Amino acid sequence: GNSVTQMEGPVTLSEEAFLTINCTYTATGYPSLFWYVQYPGEGLQLLLKATKADDKGSNKGFEATYRKETTSFHLEKGSVQVSDSAVYFCALRSDGSSNTGKLIFGQGTTLQVKP
Amino acid sequence: NAGVTQTPKFQVLKTGQSMTLQCAQDMNHNSMYWYRQDPGMGLRLIYYSASEGTTDKGEVPNGYNVSRLNKREFSLRLESAAPSQTSVYFCAITTTGRYGYTFGSGTRLTVV
Repeated sequence: GNSVTQMEGPVTLSEEAFLTINCTYTATGYPSLFWYVQYPGEGLQLLLKATKADDKGSNKGFEATYRKETTSFHLEKGSVQVSDSAVYFCALRSDGSSNTGKLIFGQGTTLQVKP
Repeated sequence: NAGVTQTPKFQVLKTGQSMTLQCAQDMNHNSMYWYRQDPGMGLRLIYYSASEGTTDKGEVPNGYNVSRLNKREFSLRLESAAPSQTSVYFCAITTTGRYGYTFGSGTRLTVV
């Protein structure tokens, strides 16, 4: 079945450091890939997405490229801020023949950025 | 989390009590979902409704029931709460195509 695997956290960085959170997936067909962010005490917000191979999603300085050859969708940011501290979820949506649109999540990676 | 409203935001239940979590949307999307979030396990799908009048089981449906009351509303019911159901519950919506989901702000449920 479809699945998403993220690097384990927590990830602790100093402000202005470079961020990478690894995400790999297993899926049949051509899934859409997403990164969601969850700030403390809040729901999940869509951060960025990519719907086909080699697409790059970007938002708020974050980027991720859909790599079909390595089945990966790693999240990167060149210079993190304290306000980026949150939990980040990688997810895929593979409608397949059922067209139910179910979203499958990785386990989440906690990012803590220190001043 | 505009467009998806969950109630209540917090709830404490005793083992064996029942309750219904409510979810309402104003985005006219067909598909609605209930997830639970537990530490280290990401989000797991409990039930979903691909369209008004249909519901289906997700990954962890045991102990729950759902009702798709109309296109706007999708409720989750715990008939006899157990401590294992202590979790944060999220409702989400989407539409057909390669789109993401819009999530509600969640219900934090504690069963003692």
